[in-house]
Amino acid sequence: AQKVTQAQTEISVVEKEDVTLDCVYETRDTTYYLFWYKQPPSGELVFLIRRNSFDEQNEISGRYSWNFQKSTSSFNFTITASQVVDSAVYFCALIFYGNNRLAFGKGNQVVVIP
Amino acid sequence: DTAVSQTPKYLVTQMGNDKSIKCEQNLGHDTMYWYKQDSKKFLKIMFSYNNKELIINETVPNRFSPKSPDKAHLNLHINSLELGDSAVYFCASSQTRDINYEQYFGPGTRLTVT
Repeated sequence: AQKVTQAQTEISVVEKEDVTLDCVYETRDTTYYLFWYKQPPSGELVFLIRRNSFDEQNEISGRYSWNFQKSTSSFNFTITASQVVDSAVYFCALIFYGNNRLAFGKGNQVVVIP
Repeated sequence: DTAVSQTPKYLVTQMGNDKSIKCEQNLGHDTMYWYKQDSKKFLKIMFSYNNKELIINETVPNRFSPKSPDKAHLNLHINSLELGDSAVYFCASSQTRDINYEQYFGPGTRLTVT
């Protein structure tokens, strides 16, 4: 069965600090996709990034960066120079062929203190 | 223009009532989903339709019945509402049922059963 673990529940940082969110996943499948979604206080779910299991290239997009390491089954997410608008719950999710079910972690609540 | 829309945004009702939540997407996607987010923010898939065909039906009480009149719409009807049905229900869509496409979520419907 597939499983996504986000161990940190709530993370508080002072504005302009960096914050890294850990995501560890379990799957026996060799072909799968990983996602990060953001849920701000307004409640909607916003897609941030998708990575497939064959693409371990890490990426930076503005203040966001992702570190995918297949060897440790981790897909971590970093916000650089955090801002108050980054306060949200961030979800890591996994889907693999033959299942088609997006399995979410429990989410990381990020609180950015001005 | 809203990509995935849901109505209503808030729904307060009494136990035993029957209610429906509507979802529409204007992205031209052919796969749609219903997710439930509980009070601890845990997200779990309930149903998925591909071109009006039910492809995922998780272990959900049969009081919940999805209906897809066309591939742009997926409605959720709930009979005999119970207190435990209180949650936020999200509709989502993706381009196809292939796992390499991200899912886009609606704004959510907060259902409160009293």
